[in-house]
Amino acid sequence: AQRVTQPEKLLSVFKGAPVELKCNYSYSGSPELFWYVQYSRQRLQLLLRHISRESIKGFTADLNKGETSFHLKKPFAQEEDSAMYYCALGRGSTLGRLYFGRGTQLTVWP
Amino acid sequence: GAGVSQSPSNKVTEKGKDVELRCDPISGHTALYWYRQSLGQGLEFLIYFQGNSAPDKSGLPSDRFSAERTGGSVSTLTIQRTQQEDSAVYLCASSLESFGAGQYFGPGTRLTVL
Repeated sequence: AQRVTQPEKLLSVFKGAPVELKCNYSYSGSPELFWYVQYSRQRLQLLLRHISRESIKGFTADLNKGETSFHLKKPFAQEEDSAMYYCALGRGSTLGRLYFGRGTQLTVWP
Repeated sequence: GAGVSQSPSNKVTEKGKDVELRCDPISGHTALYWYRQSLGQGLEFLIYFQGNSAPDKSGLPSDRFSAERTGGSVSTLTIQRTQQEDSAVYLCASSLESFGAGQYFGPGTRLTVL
C-alpha cells in the first residue's frame, strides 16, 4: 500500500540554521513526489516537484529511491519559512489522488 | 492566471441539513480532486474526476457524500444530512493529466456543523 511518513510533527530551528524536513514513502511503482507548504491562513501551495529538480525559496529535495526518501532541505532557514510542510506521493503510472503525510510544522526562531 | 476558487469560504449549518460546496478549477486542467483537512485526520482524499472517465469515489466516507462535475469544469460536493464529524475544511484541487504535474489547491471551504 502507498504510504507517506513524516516522522517529525514539530521542528524548530533558529534563523540561519540548516533545516531538513524528513519524508519517507512506500510505493512499489514509479513515484511522483511533491512538497506542499501551507503558511498561516493561506492555501496549500505546491513548493517542489521531484521531477523538476528545482530549487524554490532556497529549498531543495532529492528523490532517493534506494532509501525511499524525499527529504526537504534548506541551508539557511528564514523566519518566513515558518509554515506547515506536507510531503505527498502520487502513483506516477496511474495519476490520480495524492497520498499526503501528516505534515511537519516548522518554526524558525529569530 | 486565476487559480482554483471555491465557494462559500465558510459555511455554518445545523446537523441534519444538506450542504453544497462549489469548486472552479484552473482553466484547462482536466483533473479535479476533493480532499478534506481536519485536525485529527490530516489531509483525506475524497474523490477524483479525470476527463470523461468514471470518478474515483474510493475516499468518500459514506453515502451521504456525493460529487459531480458538470461540463468537465465546475464541481459540486454535496453532503446530505450533515453530522458534526463532517466539520472540516474541504479542499478542491486541479491538475493537468501528466506525470509530475502537481495539483493546485483552492482556498477551501470551512464547514462547521452545529
